[in-house]
Amino acid sequence: DGGITQSPKYLFRKEGQNVTLSCEQNLNHDAMYWYRQDPGQGLRLIYYSQIVNDFQKGDIAEGYSVSREKKESFPLTVTSAQKNPTAFYLCASRYRQGAATGELFFGEGSRLTVL
Amino acid sequence: AQSVSQHNHHVILSEAASLELGCNYSYGGTVNLFWYVQYPGQHLQLLLKYFSGDPLVKGIKGFEAEFIKSKFSFNLRKPSVQWSDTAEYFCAVSGFGTASKLTFGTGTRLQVTL
Repeated sequence: DGGITQSPKYLFRKEGQNVTLSCEQNLNHDAMYWYRQDPGQGLRLIYYSQIVNDFQKGDIAEGYSVSREKKESFPLTVTSAQKNPTAFYLCASRYRQGAATGELFFGEGSRLTVL
Repeated sequence: AQSVSQHNHHVILSEAASLELGCNYSYGGTVNLFWYVQYPGQHLQLLLKYFSGDPLVKGIKGFEAEFIKSKFSFNLRKPSVQWSDTAEYFCAVSGFGTASKLTFGTGTRLQVTL
């Protein structure tokens, strides 16, 4: 089955540690996204990538980093510089950035808790 | 900058009641509009979308939404809700073009009681 796989589903981290969240898709989508979901704040865009080896900052990129070395993979690193990292992180993809008919497909999310 | 406002944060309805969730957007150009739903414990999924043509769009599970350009609105409706519609609903807006990104509203939590 085609889809988006995020791992781990739950992650605990101590303050000061970096952590990397994995996102893999087998939908052959060009564009991939990372969102952060917090109660009462909806989804906020962290980073997005239209093609391999290219990515752009979203609305809340500070304290995060990404890479896009392969079309199917878009890992997100939450660095120690992120002041409030405890959140639910969602990865998404769509066929082509900017395409008029391109809906986003979402993974099941990764819940990060900083202790 | 594009933005989306969902004024209803938490809505409680009895089964069979009619539903209307408000969504207003701000964007200086041609828009794509979406409603996504997140059922408890499940991933976000698309409910319906508008790109062009008929401003009244129909989605899955009996939902529909009307795009009113003059009001910058894209309200979601369902004539008769079911307990299984309990979920969080997100409105989102995107422009056209290679630089477009999808911006979400803050979400509306719908609770349907028996």
